[in-house]
Amino acid sequence: AQTVTQSQPEMSVQEAETVTLSCTYDTSESNYYLFWYKQPPSRQMILVIRQEAYKQQNATENRFSVNFQKAAKSFSLKISDSQLGDTAMYFCARGAGSYQLTFGKGTKLSVIP
Amino acid sequence: ETGVTQTPRHLVMGMTNKKSLKCEQHLGHNAMYWYKQSAKKPLELMFVYNFKEQTENNSVPSRFSPECPNSSHLFLHLHTLQPEDSALYLCASSQRGLNYGYTFGSGTRLTVV
Repeated sequence: AQTVTQSQPEMSVQEAETVTLSCTYDTSESNYYLFWYKQPPSRQMILVIRQEAYKQQNATENRFSVNFQKAAKSFSLKISDSQLGDTAMYFCARGAGSYQLTFGKGTKLSVIP
Repeated sequence: ETGVTQTPRHLVMGMTNKKSLKCEQHLGHNAMYWYKQSAKKPLELMFVYNFKEQTENNSVPSRFSPECPNSSHLFLHLHTLQPEDSALYLCASSQRGLNYGYTFGSGTRLTVV
């Protein structure tokens, strides 16, 4: 089975500091999409950032950026200037085929005041 | 407002009950999904519907019965569930090709007693 692995079950970061969440994946496809989702205690899964595998440039959305290493099949998320509202579960996901996303087990991030 | 609405938000049911979960999207998406989210497990894909047709049934027990009357509505009918079926059930929708990932609902927290 093609998998997505998040090796850090839990992490914490001081407010205003920077934190990096890691993700590795497995795929036999040459073109695919990668995503980071955030799930706060409200349970709503929110798309944070997306990356198209055929684009070498790393995606950036405000304080969120990724480090996409295609050869290494690595897709880490960097959160800069961490805020209390960033406290949530973060899920890495890979698009497989036309419809299915495969998710990692998630990383629980706590931002400490 | 996320564009994907799930009801009810919470549900407690006995093992002999019959209940249904509802999901509705008005984003013009043509694919809808049911996922099961249990503690310390990856999100488990249950069913995929593409243009109202079921395209994926991920070996889900028959006590879970999906229904997709149109591209905007998705139901999950539940009967004779087991306590281990207690979980958060998430509905999502997407456009073809997964370019922009999924849009999720807020989920139904199901407890089977």
